[in-house]
Amino acid sequence: GDSVTQMEGPVTLSEEAFLTINCTYTATGYPSLFWYVQYPGEGLQLLLKATKADDKGSNKGFEATYRKETTSFHLEKGSVQVSDSAVYFCALTGGNTDKLIFGTGTRLQVFP
Amino acid sequence: DAGVTQSPTHLIKTRGQQVTLRCSPKSGHDTVSWYQQALGQGPQFIFQYYEEEERQRGNFPDRFSGHQFPNYSSELNVNALLLGDSALYLCASSLRGDQPQHFGDGTRLSIL
Repeated sequence: GDSVTQMEGPVTLSEEAFLTINCTYTATGYPSLFWYVQYPGEGLQLLLKATKADDKGSNKGFEATYRKETTSFHLEKGSVQVSDSAVYFCALTGGNTDKLIFGTGTRLQVFP
Repeated sequence: DAGVTQSPTHLIKTRGQQVTLRCSPKSGHDTVSWYQQALGQGPQFIFQYYEEEERQRGNFPDRFSGHQFPNYSSELNVNALLLGDSALYLCASSLRGDQPQHFGDGTRLSIL
């Protein structure tokens, strides 16, 4: 079945460092891809999305490009802030269903 | 514009009991999905309701059931609670056939 694999965390960075969180997927057909963020004690917030190959999703300085050839959707940010500390989830919807399939999440910790 | 609201925020039950969780979707949304998020894991899809019927179901036992009301709000019921049911239960709403899903802050269920 469809699945998402994320790099394990925690990822620990200093403020203004470059961030990459790897995400690869397995899916039949052409899934839509998402990054969600979860701050402590809160639900999930959509960070960005891409619906077809080569699309680039972007929001709040974060970017991810839908790479069909490598089945990847890696999250990047050029300069992280302490306020970016959270858990990041890669997810997909595929086929004729709109249920979200999530990875296990990657915790990001940014220190001043 | 109110987002997705869930109640209660926290709940403590004992094994064998039954529980009902509630969700009000974001204004304008007609589809409600429920997810279970165990500690340190990504959310797992339980089921989805649209037009007051269960449309999709994940790999959860029949102890998990739900309902959707004419005003699109929804309930998740879990019978014969097990220790393993301890988790954050997330509700997400959307407009049928559209993404993204918008999440509430969840109900934290603890089973003693």
